[in-house]
Amino acid sequence: QVQLVQSGAEVKKPGASVKVSCKASGYTFTTYYMHWVRQAPGQGLQWMSMINPSGGAAIYPQFQGRVTMTRDTSTSTVNMVLSSLTSEDTAVYYCASGGRGGAFDIWGQGTMVSVSS
Amino acid sequence: EIVLTQSPGTLSLSPGERATLSCRASQSVGSNYLAWYQQKPGQAPRLLIYHASSRAADIPDRFTGSGSGTDFTLTISRLEPEDFAVYYCQQYAGSLPWTFGQGTKVDIK
Repeated sequence: QVQLVQSGAEVKKPGASVKVSCKASGYTFTTYYMHWVRQAPGQGLQWMSMINPSGGAAIYPQFQGRVTMTRDTSTSTVNMVLSSLTSEDTAVYYCASGGRGGAFDIWGQGTMVSVSS
Repeated sequence: EIVLTQSPGTLSLSPGERATLSCRASQSVGSNYLAWYQQKPGQAPRLLIYHASSRAADIPDRFTGSGSGTDFTLTISRLEPEDFAVYYCQQYAGSLPWTFGQGTKVDIK
């Protein structure tokens, strides 16, 4: 079935980097943009970035210099690396596919990233 | 950046009642690219409505989206027990960053 499966929870120290992966299955990976959305504990949703799985172009207007997004079409996987972590980056990170005219119809299960010294 | 303001913050209702949730944008949302999501504790959001009024796959018809420009509404005609959750609106029009509202919690009265 159509699904996005994310990598497991991470615990990092301030200043470190974290890599979160998202593997797509059940549809043509290159058809829809993939997005990253995060949710701090008890807070709302924040859109972070998006990547075109076909050409690889990525956009992350609010995280310039801290986010790197890549994709591997051979494994239908999108990776996001967030660097220079602070406690404010503690959140659940979701990948989501923009398959409904751009709206996010398929979501990963979420990856908890905790940043603590 | 388009700021989305949802109201009310919390809606306390009983099963069977009608719920009306509002989402107001700080500027017009291009092509009415406005979506609504439902989120339950410990779960990823689920798409309910896209393009302001199109129901996503397998979404019951008690969920209706309406509005255009800067004012949008999600209506749940008769609340079922599984509808008590947090609801977010989101704009995905051309202007980046794409943004979410702060959410409306629908809880049991």
